[in-house]
Amino acid sequence: SQTIHQWPATLVQPVGSPLSLECTVEGTSNPNLYWYRQAAGRGLQLLFYSVGIGQISSEVPQNLSASRPQDRQFILSSKKLLLSDSGFYLCAWSDTYGYTFGSGTRLTVV
Amino acid sequence: EDQVTQSPEALRLQEGESSSLNCSYTVSGLRGLFWYRQDPGKGPEFLFTLYSAGEEKEKERLKATLTKKESFLHITAPKPEDSATYLCAVPNQAGTALIFGKGTTLSVSS
Repeated sequence: SQTIHQWPATLVQPVGSPLSLECTVEGTSNPNLYWYRQAAGRGLQLLFYSVGIGQISSEVPQNLSASRPQDRQFILSSKKLLLSDSGFYLCAWSDTYGYTFGSGTRLTVV
Repeated sequence: EDQVTQSPEALRLQEGESSSLNCSYTVSGLRGLFWYRQDPGKGPEFLFTLYSAGEEKEKERLKATLTKKESFLHITAPKPEDSATYLCAVPNQAGTALIFGKGTTLSVSS
């Protein structure tokens, strides 16, 4: 069966520090992968999606970047965090049946 | 612009008090409408996918229905464990990702 792993679960980082969130998927090949952010009082906002290794599409201009170095690995990064980067970050993968989400990372930038 | 609107934002019910949640969408050429349940601090959990007007799906106390412009999630005789945020989503016009509503937060008290 397919599983999705996302870590860390919580993270507190100072403003200006770098960020790296990792997501891995098991039990499927060449999945479409996604990074969403959920801020307080807002719905899930799509940040990036990827249809294959090295193929990244950005949905909104921001302080973040994404990379897909391996088929089932998706990384969200930032060189310098801003206060506005705080939120709940979710990784997801999709197939013909729908979208499956990871457990999320709560990022607090202080 | 593709949009998904959910109402009400919050709903408080007594145990056993049935009600409905609404999701309206503006995307044309619907390729599925998704319902998810999200518990605090966790990723969304898939509930249903509906593809055509008139379609209905059920799971325990939940029933989802779909018309040409909206979907309803009916909750029959809810229990406290049904308390969660319920999210509705549709694929964007390009079919590259899901667009989410802001969700309805349901609280069921005993």
